[in-house]
Amino acid sequence: GQNIDQPTEMTATEGAIVQINCTYQTSGFNGLFWYQQHAGEAPTFLSYNVLDGLEEKGRFSSFLSRSKGYSYLLLKELQMKDSASYLCAAWDSNYQLIWGAGTKLIIKP
Amino acid sequence: DVKVTQSSRYLVKRTGEKVFLECVQDMDHENMFWYRQDPGLGLRLIYFSYDVKMKEKGDIPEGYSVSREKKERFSLILESASTNQTSMYLCASSPQGITSTDTQYFGPGTRLTVL
Repeated sequence: GQNIDQPTEMTATEGAIVQINCTYQTSGFNGLFWYQQHAGEAPTFLSYNVLDGLEEKGRFSSFLSRSKGYSYLLLKELQMKDSASYLCAAWDSNYQLIWGAGTKLIIKP
Repeated sequence: DVKVTQSSRYLVKRTGEKVFLECVQDMDHENMFWYRQDPGLGLRLIYFSYDVKMKEKGDIPEGYSVSREKKERFSLILESASTNQTSMYLCASSPQGITSTDTQYFGPGTRLTVL
């Protein structure tokens, strides 16, 4: 079966760095997405990786290892507004999105 | 900016009622999706559509139907609402083709409570 695993909840301190991990098992693979979702709001796109390596976008970076079925989202210089859920999703061979349950990130002052 | 709107943010219905959830997108996207989101379960695909009058079942279509009479509008219908359909419903749209790296745009969601 197809599956995405990510931690349920993480806590970090304002100004620090946090890494949110995601492992995936899909029938074929055509890329991995990270979305941010604030409480009560819609998910918004953060990043897309299809090749191995690190993609950096300001304070946020996303890493992919296709051979390990593994990705992480790295958030630097954490701000209180980064408190949200972070959703990992992978495209399978049919370009269907398989979603993880999301990681709730709590930022403490 | 892509805009996806949903008819209601909050909805309360009674068991057995017929419920319509409307979704409209203004970017001429071919693809539209309906998900439900429940704590600890992530997003689950109910139905999707790649074109007008076209629909495909997702992972959990039971108890739901959809309608896409116009390109910009995708409706989700609960024929006879049940309490286990209490959930957050999210609509999304995306352009056709696999080269779009920012994939799906989501509406604000409808939190449906069935009493």
